Amino acid sequence: TQLLEQSPQFLSIQEGENLTVYCNSSSVFSSLQWYRQEPGEGPVLLVTVVTGGEVKKLKRLTFQFGDARKDSSLHITAAQPGDTGLYLCAGAKGGSYIPTFGRGTSLIVHP
Amino acid sequence: NAGVTQTPKFQVLKTGQSMTLQCAQDMNHNSMYWYRQDPGMGLRLIYYSASEGTTDKGEVPNGYNVSRLNKREFSLRLESAAPSQTSVYFCASSETSGGPWDEQFFGPGTRLTVL
Repeated sequence: TQLLEQSPQFLSIQEGENLTVYCNSSSVFSSLQWYRQEPGEGPVLLVTVVTGGEVKKLKRLTFQFGDARKDSSLHITAAQPGDTGLYLCAGAKGGSYIPTFGRGTSLIVHP
Repeated sequence: NAGVTQTPKFQVLKTGQSMTLQCAQDMNHNSMYWYRQDPGMGLRLIYYSASEGTTDKGEVPNGYNVSRLNKREFSLRLESAAPSQTSVYFCASSETSGGPWDEQFFGPGTRLTVL
């Protein structure tokens, strides 16, 4: 059983479109992180959210942590080819600092 | 700063062969991790080391051993490689300050094929 479910698994869109990817769980997390992984490289942290209902913005990317701290979303406005990559969410429970990763959403943005 | 470095970048083994994947970080981080990434499976934790001298099993430790050689280096050993261990292996490190947990810094990965 996957602790963190990400959807959709794959997304192929045109430059300029908006999109949202989701990270859902039946468990409560003390914090949740989003990473982006480009082909052939390791993941790189985009954001950490720790408070239920928290919204963080990073240029065209908007991250939200659910009120109950069981889910999160990533919204990209006016996607660009440089946004192409694998988006991974990772959550830690309780006092653990060891994160559990979701399976990822693979995004391709066509010029 | 090089961050997290991994060697080798690519490796092909025959079933039953052994090898050690090397990882080093220059950020003075306390914690280090080994993950494997398979298509459609995300990142799965193999072993981690909370501090120098300690190691613990993660989600998928079978068939692997690790050594935290010092604060900088954390190696992963496959004693008898199997085709099921074909994967991309990532090493990561984090400061582990105890807050809302730390950013993990990943190496570039080792692409391992076991024939």
